Amino acid sequence: AQTVTQSQPEMSVQEAETVTLSCTYDTSESDYYLFWYKQPPSRQMILVIRQEAYKQQNATENRFSVNFQKAAKSFSLKISDSQLGDAAMYFCAYYDGGATNKLIFGTGTLLAVQP
Amino acid sequence: DTEVTQTPKHLVMGMTNKKSLKCEQHMGHRAMYWYKQKAKKPPELMFVYSYEKLSINESVPSRFSPECPNSSLLNLHLHALQPEDSALYLCASSQDRYRGNYGYTFGSGTRLTVV
Repeated sequence: AQTVTQSQPEMSVQEAETVTLSCTYDTSESDYYLFWYKQPPSRQMILVIRQEAYKQQNATENRFSVNFQKAAKSFSLKISDSQLGDAAMYFCAYYDGGATNKLIFGTGTLLAVQP
Repeated sequence: DTEVTQTPKHLVMGMTNKKSLKCEQHMGHRAMYWYKQKAKKPPELMFVYSYEKLSINESVPSRFSPECPNSSLLNLHLHALQPEDSALYLCASSQDRYRGNYGYTFGSGTRLTVV
């Protein structure tokens, strides 16, 4: 079964600094999709960034970028120039569209941003 | 319209009450989902509707009863809940159940407290 692991329950970063959140996953599929979702105290899950497994190029969205290592089954999120509004719970998620057709979430990393 | 709207935002109900949660989207998505989320935990899938038909029930107790009256609307009827059912209930949608590769769009949830 597919699993998603986030080994950092909590992280902290200074405003304007860079932080990297880790995510590993386990799958036997070759075609799948990975996501990072942000859930601030307002509760809404917001899609931050998306990566297609068949694309070697790492996805980037403004200050957010990923380091996708398919062979290592690793999918980390880098947040540059951290802002107070980045404080939130971050969930890594996996979707394979074949075996399960379900979005599978990791356990989450709570990110605090210090002024 | 790129939103999923959930009402009410907060709900307090007694164990003998009957209440309903409502979710609405106007993005033309044909798959809709109910998730339950406890504090600092990832969302847990409860139900999946695909083209207005129940596609997945993740062994949810019968005191939770989903309904999909049309392609834009999803309800969750609640009856005889227990205090442990207190949680954030999230609704989400995607293009269809087999095309979640663009991610799901989530609402901001209903915070349910059972007293």
